[in-house]
Amino acid sequence: SQTIHQWPATLVQPVGSPLSLECTVEGTSNPNLYWYRQAAGRGLQLLFYSVGIGQISSEVPQNLSASRPQDRQFILSSKKLLLSDSGFYLCAWSVLTSGNTIYFGEGSWLTVV
Amino acid sequence: AQTVTQSQPEMSVQEAETVTLSCTYDTSESDYYLFWYKQPPSRQMILVIRQEAYKQQNATENRFSVNFQKAAKSFSLKISDSQLGDAAMYFCAYTPSGTYKYIFGTGTRLKVLA
Repeated sequence: SQTIHQWPATLVQPVGSPLSLECTVEGTSNPNLYWYRQAAGRGLQLLFYSVGIGQISSEVPQNLSASRPQDRQFILSSKKLLLSDSGFYLCAWSVLTSGNTIYFGEGSWLTVV
Repeated sequence: AQTVTQSQPEMSVQEAETVTLSCTYDTSESDYYLFWYKQPPSRQMILVIRQEAYKQQNATENRFSVNFQKAAKSFSLKISDSQLGDAAMYFCAYTPSGTYKYIFGTGTRLKVLA
């Protein structure tokens, strides 16, 4: 069966520090991968999606970036965090053979102080 | 533009009773998928139920069922025999078939009263 794991689960970072959130998917090949952000009490905002290694599409201009160094690995990064980057980040995956269903990781809480 | 609207920010239901959460969407596509996701306090998004637009039969998963009205572009979720563990935020979502875009509603917070 397919699983998705993201880490770290929680982190507190000072303004101006770098960020790296990592996500891996097991049990499937060539998934579409996504990074979403959810501000407190709000809906989901798509940040990046990837349809293959090295292929990244950005949905919202950010000081964030994403990379996909391996087929089932997706990384969200920032060189310098802003206070507004605080939120809950969710990694997700989908494949067309799964009926277009999107599956989510456990999420990562980021607090920028 | 494709949109998903959940008009109920918050709903309450008595334990063991039935509750219906509303969702409407707007699209010009004929082939698409609709989903309901549950987000408990742990914040992980959990798939509750999925509906393919080409299927007229409403999807069901144990105590969860949907009322899919394609012409009206309505996709409501019915939870029967509500349990305390059903308390969560529920999100309705839409995706056109064969695409990478998912559109989520703003969510409905469901409270289950003992």
